[in-house]
Amino acid sequence: EPEVTQTPSHQVTQMGQEVILRCVPISNHLYFYWYRQILGQKVEFLVSFYNNEISEKSEIFDDQFSVERPDGSNFTLKIRSTKLEDSAMYFCASSVSANTEAFFGQGTRLTVV
Amino acid sequence: AQSVTQLGSHVSVSEGALVLLRCNYSSSVPPYLFWYVQYPNQGLQLLLKYTSAATLVKGINGFEAEFKKSETSFHLTKPSAHMSDAAEYFCAVRENRDDKIIFGKGTRLHILP
Repeated sequence: EPEVTQTPSHQVTQMGQEVILRCVPISNHLYFYWYRQILGQKVEFLVSFYNNEISEKSEIFDDQFSVERPDGSNFTLKIRSTKLEDSAMYFCASSVSANTEAFFGQGTRLTVV
Repeated sequence: AQSVTQLGSHVSVSEGALVLLRCNYSSSVPPYLFWYVQYPNQGLQLLLKYTSAATLVKGINGFEAEFKKSETSFHLTKPSAHMSDAAEYFCAVRENRDDKIIFGKGTRLHILP
């Protein structure tokens, strides 16, 4: 069964460092998303990406964040200068269309120290 | 803008008892509604979805949910709880052709032996 895959599963980084979280969405999907979940809290929308551009982003997704689909299969989330409060589980998701469910990866746990 | 409210951050039921997890939504247009489950240290797995067809939706693992427009509700039920059902459950909403899925705060289901 096709699935969304994320790497790495865990990432520890020092405050101020750049991190790149990687995702391979399901191959025939057209919409891509990043969500985050701070420990014990709700799943929060960060950004959606369609047709090679950001279609929507939340207030959380400030200038420190960027997304890219560099090669037609990978979908990455970059945090330029990490802060302690960026520590969270980051989920990538994809969907076939705007009217369907999203399929989620297993997540990358980011710890900023 | 759409939103989701889940009543009860924690619900405890005895093994074999009825499971009822409550979800109310707010949407300006007919929504798409979802229930996702998150097992400890895992990603989000789709349990079931409502996409304007039948109002009673059956999902995996014996769960089902009923869309009630008059009550703006989409409560999740299971007739007989199993120990393996212990997890966090998220109700989510997506408006037609919107670019994101919005999640509720989640309900942690505890199963008592």
